[in-house]
Amino acid sequence: AQRVTQPEKLLSVFKGAPVELKCNYSYSGSPELFWYVQYSRQRLQLLLRHISRESIKGFTADLNKGETSFHLKKPFAQEEDSAMYYCALTHGSSNTGKLIFGQGTTLQVKP
Amino acid sequence: GAGVSQSPRYKVTKRGQDVALRCDPISGHVSLYWYRQALGQGPEFLTYFNYEAQQDKSGLPNDRFSAERPEGSISTLTIQRTEQRDSAMYRCASSLKAGGWANEQFFGPGTRLTVL
Repeated sequence: AQRVTQPEKLLSVFKGAPVELKCNYSYSGSPELFWYVQYSRQRLQLLLRHISRESIKGFTADLNKGETSFHLKKPFAQEEDSAMYYCALTHGSSNTGKLIFGQGTTLQVKP
Repeated sequence: GAGVSQSPRYKVTKRGQDVALRCDPISGHVSLYWYRQALGQGPEFLTYFNYEAQQDKSGLPNDRFSAERPEGSISTLTIQRTEQRDSAMYRCASSLKAGGWANEQFFGPGTRLTVL
């Protein structure tokens, strides 16, 4: 079955500390992986996608097919990074693009 | 430009009533998605439209749920005979092109439905 698992409901770190939000997936084909973020009182929005291999707001994520993981990392957390983060996947050859989301992780960056 | 809009933002209804949730996608966006998000969970796919064609409704939980997008723009998600378990945030998203993983989905603010 297709599934995305984010094992941590809440991750709390101090400003300047490294951050790693974990994401593991279960999928039989070739998925495309994404991270979405929802800041307080804002909409759910795309943060980054693995195919782009980009760094957005200092965040990076590497797809590890062997471990079926797509962890989100940032070397130095900022208070403005506090938000809800969702890992999501879609089928690599999907003709709909529908997303399968994980349960989400709340990142709390303390001053 | 305006993003995806949804109305109402909040809806409280009594068990057994029908509700209609509206989504107005970004102008020109071909694809439209509906997701449902229960408290403490991630969004869960309900249905997908390519223009006016409902190409995937595999996520609709039962036949009380239906959706339409008659002119390929605004979409309505209708829940008949609501039940308390239907209480959730209903999210709409649109993307510029038809399907495909490469197309970024832009989300609306959501409609919070509470069934008493």
